[in-house]
Amino acid sequence: DIQMTQSPSSLSASVGDRVTITCRASQSINTYLNWYQQKPGKAPKLLIYAASSLQSGVPSRFSGSGSGTDFTLTISSLQPEDFATFFCQQSYGIPYTFGQGTKLHIK
Amino acid sequence: EVKLVESGGGLVQPGGSLRLSCTASGFTFSTYEMNWVRQAPGKGLEWVSYISNTVNTIYYADSVKGRFTISRDNAKNSLFLQMNSLRAEDTAVYYCARVVTTSTTDWFDPWGQGTLVTVSS
Repeated sequence: DIQMTQSPSSLSASVGDRVTITCRASQSINTYLNWYQQKPGKAPKLLIYAASSLQSGVPSRFSGSGSGTDFTLTISSLQPEDFATFFCQQSYGIPYTFGQGTKLHIK
Repeated sequence: EVKLVESGGGLVQPGGSLRLSCTASGFTFSTYEMNWVRQAPGKGLEWVSYISNTVNTIYYADSVKGRFTISRDNAKNSLFLQMNSLRAEDTAVYYCARVVTTSTTDWFDPWGQGTLVTVSS
């Protein structure tokens, strides 16, 4: 199975900050990497697919990059509604696997 | 609007069974692959099972293989998860998620709101 490791697990930041979350795969997954945002009590929501493609309707302050084993999700200027948990997910092979999540807190 | 709505969750004793349903609307269900993903309380996301649009390909996570069965009824725009021999560690919110596939990759979108399964005596 492909292991996905996110860092950090938890992050405190302020409105307006630039934030970067990283995701590392245990083997090369090309760009088969997706990012989801989950707010408390809600279902995950797709933000980025194929490592760097922004899902329709997602604000442009979200961006993704990377290929192979190392990926990043960047939020250019944090807004109050961005505080949530973020998960990466590989779709390179079955079983699909997720990172453990990064919880973004308000500082 | 593309929408998925799960139902069927509840409290069940260890060793018991439960059948989850996911009803799709707003898209041509029969042309999409589907998944079940679960999330234990306070934990991360765990993929559970996949089914192709024509039902000719099915996969399970090792943690549920032999106990869970995924199925679908394309005529009724519905996805199912039959869960048998339930254990305490199966306690989770279960989400259904549509797979969007391109020639190069795929992703899950949208997800249903989830249904809570609690396995406890």
